[in-house]
Amino acid sequence: AQSVSQHNHHVILSEAASLELGCNYSYGGTVNLFWYVQYPGQHLQLLLKYFSGDPLVKGIKGFEAEFIKSKFSFNLRKPSVQWSDTAEYFCAVNAFGNEKLTFGTGTRLTIIP
Amino acid sequence: ETGVTQSPTHLIKTRGQQVTLRCSSQSGHNTVSWYQQALGQGPQFIFQYYREEENGRGNFPPRFSGLQFPNYSSELNVNALELDDSALYLCASTSRLAGPSTDTQYFGPGTRLTVL
Repeated sequence: AQSVSQHNHHVILSEAASLELGCNYSYGGTVNLFWYVQYPGQHLQLLLKYFSGDPLVKGIKGFEAEFIKSKFSFNLRKPSVQWSDTAEYFCAVNAFGNEKLTFGTGTRLTIIP
Repeated sequence: ETGVTQSPTHLIKTRGQQVTLRCSSQSGHNTVSWYQQALGQGPQFIFQYYREEENGRGNFPPRFSGLQFPNYSSELNVNALELDDSALYLCASTSRLAGPSTDTQYFGPGTRLTVL
């Protein structure tokens, strides 16, 4: 069974700071990787996803993530955060050929104006 | 907005009661998955429905059951409610053709269930 670890539970940054949120997964086979965001009072939205190809994927709102297979990692990055990025961020994985998503426990990001 | 809708928005029940939650999938999507998100946790997979049949189940007891209708909408039923069932219940839809989809799952806003 796959599992996902997000080690940063709560991150507080000032506007314009750079962001990196960690995500590690545990699974021996081929995986698809996702980052979802949940803004206050809103539903889960897809930020970006990796299925195959270039391990550096770009998503919406200036976010990107890099898949490092040897480290079982899929860290989320943004060079300069904005106050509107305040939200809960979830890393998720599914095994190739299986739609079931396994989520991490989430990272709460607070941006101080 | 994803086009996935859920009802009701909030629900309060007492221990031992039964509850039915509803989900309408995004237009063109034929696969629906249900997730439970406890406070402070990530969503956990309950089960998935495809072609009106359960197609994969997470680590949830049989008192969690579901249905999918010909129009691809779905219900989640929970019997004999327990306090720990208090959570946000999320529905997600995707489109599957011949085999498991690699398409994105789109989530609804959720139903907040409180069990007293």
